[in-house]
Amino acid sequence: EAGVVQSPRYKIIEKKQPVAFWCNPISGHNTLYWYLQNLGQGPELLIRYENEEAVDDSQLPKDRFSAERLKGVDSTLKIQPAELGDSAVYLCASSPSGQGIYNEQFFGPGTRLTVL
Amino acid sequence: GNSVTQMEGPVTLSEEAFLTINCTYTATGYPSLFWYVQYPGEGLQLLLKATKADDKGSNKGFEATYRKETTSFHLEKGSVQVSDSAVYFCALSGGTSYGKLTFGQGTILTVHP
Repeated sequence: EAGVVQSPRYKIIEKKQPVAFWCNPISGHNTLYWYLQNLGQGPELLIRYENEEAVDDSQLPKDRFSAERLKGVDSTLKIQPAELGDSAVYLCASSPSGQGIYNEQFFGPGTRLTVL
Repeated sequence: GNSVTQMEGPVTLSEEAFLTINCTYTATGYPSLFWYVQYPGEGLQLLLKATKADDKGSNKGFEATYRKETTSFHLEKGSVQVSDSAVYFCALSGGTSYGKLTFGQGTILTVHP
């Protein structure tokens, strides 16, 4: 079974430029998560989707970040414009359902963003 | 809100040494507790979990017991191997973290031959 796929794996951009990250979850997983992982810290949730609906985007900086999950399968996270402080690893995860607290989340390898 | 605190790292051990990585949490209600591991260049993988008080999660020789009285979920392994070198994250789900994982800051483990 294929795991969570993310692309690109690495991205280097100059500040004020836009950038987009793509995630394809495990087939059949209704719940998709985007996490931000700063260096030396644990991941922090940015947004959670149940199918195509964003059910928790309270931590997403909406002035520059946006996300979509059209058709409830793959998802794109966008930053426009990027700032130096956005340099981090962006992780995508999926799980069979967000209902219930026991579900394991399956993580992709992440996209490492460097903003110069 | 919920939070997870891990012991300060990094941790460096010789092969076959005993490992303990401390994890304590603050949460309302009855969260589920997890240990995730991140090997170099890979995504996070679930190592073990426990969903109620006194449960013991175990996998690959690692163990952790859900201690509600001390709000702890310490990770242990009796004899580490070089291949265990990775970053270990304690996490919880539930209470005010419903539907998401709240992670600790991670502990880097390096095992030398």
